[in-house]
Amino acid sequence: DVKVTQSSRYLVKRTGEKVFLECVQDMDHENMFWYRQDPGLGLRLIYFSYDVKMKEKGDIPEGYSVSREKKERFSLILESASTNQTSMYLCASRNGAANEQFFGPGTRLTVL
Amino acid sequence: QKEVEQNSGPLSVPEGAIASLNCTYSDRGSQSFFWYRQYSGKSPELIMFIYSNGDKEDGRFTAQLNKASQYVSLLIRDSQPSDSATYLCAVIRDYKLSFGAGTTVTVRA
Repeated sequence: DVKVTQSSRYLVKRTGEKVFLECVQDMDHENMFWYRQDPGLGLRLIYFSYDVKMKEKGDIPEGYSVSREKKERFSLILESASTNQTSMYLCASRNGAANEQFFGPGTRLTVL
Repeated sequence: QKEVEQNSGPLSVPEGAIASLNCTYSDRGSQSFFWYRQYSGKSPELIMFIYSNGDKEDGRFTAQLNKASQYVSLLIRDSQPSDSATYLCAVIRDYKLSFGAGTTVTVRA
């Protein structure tokens, strides 16, 4: 069973704080993704990585950065959190271009 | 124009009926097409994928793809209350999987 885990289910931060969201997958998948999900907007891709130390911008990368130092771990960083970054953040992993993409349980981030 | 568009719903169907969900996409280079189900408070889970034009059946679910019309649909036959969820259409090109906003389905007992 593929398992994608995220470091927190719920997180509350203050405006201006640096926030780290961690994601770990245990199936040796090449590709990892960070999405945010907002009502009416669906899932929007923030960043993805197709290999260690490689990263590509998704549709909404502004205000975010990522790090992939090891194959199993993909971190999302909010350098200076803002209230408009309050959202559900979902990590996902996949092997290859067209296979099933597996999601983590999500982190609900609130920025006050 | 959004890459992937779905009927926003909500869609309410009686138990035992067929639920029909529609999705259109803008990128003709899209390679594969997926339907995910998301229960409230949970993360999405894959229920169907389709690569070729035509129909693909898996139990009570049928996915239909028409690449010329850039259209993909999902039929849920004999709908059950447990099918009440949000259904997300997704298309893939290269590494990137793009999602629609989802259609919420409620099955009335």
